[in-house]
Amino acid sequence: AQRVTQPEKLLSVFKGAPVELKCNYSYSGSPELFWYVQYSRQRLQLLLRHISRESIKGFTADLNKGETSFHLKKPFAQEEDSAMYYCALRADRGSTLGRLYFGRGTQLTVWP
Amino acid sequence: SAVISQKPSRDICQRGTSLTIQCQVDSQVTMMFWYRQQPGQSLTLIATANQGSEATYESGFVIDKFPISRPNLTFSTLTVSNMSPEDSSIYLCSSRAGSTDTQYFGPGTRLTVL
Repeated sequence: AQRVTQPEKLLSVFKGAPVELKCNYSYSGSPELFWYVQYSRQRLQLLLRHISRESIKGFTADLNKGETSFHLKKPFAQEEDSAMYYCALRADRGSTLGRLYFGRGTQLTVWP
Repeated sequence: SAVISQKPSRDICQRGTSLTIQCQVDSQVTMMFWYRQQPGQSLTLIATANQGSEATYESGFVIDKFPISRPNLTFSTLTVSNMSPEDSSIYLCSSRAGSTDTQYFGPGTRLTVL
């Protein structure tokens, strides 16, 4: 069965410090991995996806199939990065094809 | 992209009653999804609704409790039936759209059951 694990429920860093939000997954196929972000009083929105291999708002994430991880990183955190971040997996096969499964989320707080 | 709206945005309901949540997408989409986000927890997929077929429910969710309609390619409803306080949650509608097949989310419906 598919599973997405975000070990940290809360993460706090100071402005300008590096930040890494951890995500590990369990899935037998070749999933597609995503990071979604939810800023205060806003709807959930896509931040980035692994197949795009791009940097969004300074964030990057690399899919490591050996470690089954998809950690989100930013070298210099900004106060406006404070938000809830969700790692998500989309199944590529079987009865769960196309469904998106989420981790429990990490609340990131960036202090000034 | 796809813009998704939901109604109502929030409601307070009495135990034993039912509430129907509406979801409207600004473009035609094949797949629509309903999620639940209980306080302090992650998003849990309730069901997938494809137009012209019955919804597919995830383990732990049944049609009698969460009936879903999908009358056309831009609209869906989720009904929370015979509500109890444990149904207090945020209910989110979602769909996939665009050339990148991105999944978009509505603003959510915050339900409180007394």
